Amino acid sequence: QVQLVESGGGVVQPGRSLRLSCAASGFAFATYGVHWVRQAPGKGLEWVALISYDGSTQYSADSVKGRFTISRDNSKNTLYLQMNSLRVEDTAVYYCARNYYYMDLWGKGTTVTVSS
Amino acid sequence: QTVVTQEPSFSVSPGGTVTLTCGLRSGSVSTSYYPSWYQQTPGQAPRTLIYSTNTRSSGVPDRFSGSILGNKAALTITGAQADDESDYYCVLYMGRGSWVFGGGTKLTVL
Repeated sequence: QVQLVESGGGVVQPGRSLRLSCAASGFAFATYGVHWVRQAPGKGLEWVALISYDGSTQYSADSVKGRFTISRDNSKNTLYLQMNSLRVEDTAVYYCARNYYYMDLWGKGTTVTVSS
Repeated sequence: QTVVTQEPSFSVSPGGTVTLTCGLRSGSVSTSYYPSWYQQTPGQAPRTLIYSTNTRSSGVPDRFSGSILGNKAALTITGAQADDESDYYCVLYMGRGSWVFGGGTKLTVL
């Protein structure tokens, strides 16, 4: 079954860290770029970061630059998002999504709540 | 300030046709922005409808179509159905490793 499954969300205090994972199955993960996209409660979608198919290129939004790091392990068909120095405004559902110029396959998301 | 613009809300009658647009605060949208469209209902993950301006994603009915209209990307729904009532988002590739979503359009079918 072609799918992406996120995990690792939870409740964390401001300033702390969290690592999200996205497990891919049913397709050649190593041939696709992958995005992280988030959605704050009651708000629209926000692009967070992208990593190229081989991990050689990473891009991130200004809102997370210097705090979040995207990475991947193609041997494990898994994407990661290391989130440091978390802020209340990082509270959101985090989705991973496949492809490069657009997103053609989405996971169901994992919820991150940053609160004291 | 919103770089990518969408109508905040739109209404269509069942069986009717509606065109949602995706523009830039400054400039024109072209195919070089790889405009894509997503449908989302509350509590659900987004569903890809259209990518690269006008390519329908697998399983998407042909009553959904994408195009460039004037200086904007457009999503047209023909023969609107009740379950088309959703939020619709576009995203544009801004170049230099940056993607920006529009604020979304809440479509009501009534």
